[in-house]
Amino acid sequence: AQTVTQSQPEMSVQEAETVTLSCTYDTSENNYYLFWYKQPPSRQMILVIRQEAYKQQNATENRFSVNFQKAAKSFSLKISDSQLGDTAMYFCAFMNRDDKIIFGKGTRLHILP
Amino acid sequence: GAVVSQHPSWVICKSGTSVKIECRSLDFQATTMFWYRQFPKQSLMLMATSNEGSKATYEQGVEKDKFLINHASLTLSTLTVTSAHPEDSSFYICSGAQGETQYFGPGTRLLVL
Repeated sequence: AQTVTQSQPEMSVQEAETVTLSCTYDTSENNYYLFWYKQPPSRQMILVIRQEAYKQQNATENRFSVNFQKAAKSFSLKISDSQLGDTAMYFCAFMNRDDKIIFGKGTRLHILP
Repeated sequence: GAVVSQHPSWVICKSGTSVKIECRSLDFQATTMFWYRQFPKQSLMLMATSNEGSKATYEQGVEKDKFLINHASLTLSTLTVTSAHPEDSSFYICSGAQGETQYFGPGTRLLVL
């Protein structure tokens, strides 16, 4: 079965610091997509970053970057220069060949002023 | 990014009544839409995959007669919770697929009294 594991239920960091959220997944597929979604208190799911498994280069989006280790099935998210608006629930997600998304349980991130 | 809307955002209904939730892709055509359910402080659980012009595909354990899905056009999918009961109270989120990425609606909070 395909699974996504986020081992950090909750994290807190000071504003402007860098924080890394962990994610591991399990699949027998070779081609797939990985995502990080953010869910702020409004509960709107927002796409943060996307990684295609066949690309070795780690995806980056401004202050957000990933460390994708395909062999280890690891997909961590790094947030640089964290801001108060980054406070949210972060979900790691895997898309299988049926285009279904499997979500991890989430990491609640608090950015402290 | 692509925009998905949901209506209503909030609904309160009496036990035994039916409630319809609309999901619209505003600036793209979504041949596939997905319906999720999210309990408080939990992750998103996929309920069903909605394909334009064909029957929805339900995940294991989801009652198709309870949660009726209609995907009548490339921009509209509806979820009807039939004969709602208090245990159906939840946050329902839809998404539209554009390429390999799903874009999420803002969600509908359903409270059944």
